[in-house]
Amino acid sequence: KNQVEQSPQSLIILEGKNCTLQCNYTVSPFSNLRWYKQDTGRGPVSLTIMTFSENTKSNGRYTATLDADTKQSSLHITASQLSDSASYICVVSALANTDKLIFGTGTRLQVFP
Amino acid sequence: DAGITQSPRHKVTETGTPVTLRCHQTENHRYMYWYRQDPGHGLRLIHYSYGVKDTDKGEVSDGYSVSRSKTEDFLLTLESATSSQTSVYFCAISESRRDRDETQYFGPGTRLLVL
Repeated sequence: KNQVEQSPQSLIILEGKNCTLQCNYTVSPFSNLRWYKQDTGRGPVSLTIMTFSENTKSNGRYTATLDADTKQSSLHITASQLSDSASYICVVSALANTDKLIFGTGTRLQVFP
Repeated sequence: DAGITQSPRHKVTETGTPVTLRCHQTENHRYMYWYRQDPGHGLRLIHYSYGVKDTDKGEVSDGYSVSRSKTEDFLLTLESATSSQTSVYFCAISESRRDRDETQYFGPGTRLLVL
């Protein structure tokens, strides 16, 4: 069964600190993996998209990594800011004839001053 | 929110009443999607459209119908709302099929409460 699991479910860090969020998936065959940021009360916003051949992609202070062999991805946030408080959602696309995205349930990050 | 609006933003209704949610885009994207988001679940696809009058079911389509008469508008209808349809509904758009290597853009969401 195609699944995407994220850990931790929630995380609290202090402003200025770094953190890493994890995403493990069992989707096969794999097409691409995305990370979205969702602020409270708003729709998700794309941070990165990585295909099978990419193992790192950055977007400002956000760096996503992908290990397609172990089916793991991580999102590293550097020098966290209060505005990073949000849910981060990992989404995996299955390579198939049909339109298919599998969403994780997200990690809720809270950054405190 | 990438030129996507949803209306209404909040709705309270009673069980058994019909409800229509509207998604409007100004990006001229071909694909439009309706999702629901519930605690403990990832976003789940209800229906999607790949062109005017072209729609297909997603993974949780029971109890929902959609229509797309213009490129810019995608309507989601709950024919007879039930309490299990209390949720936050998101519209999304993309230029190509969502599983391709392109970004999918989401609207601001509609919070629906069915009493």
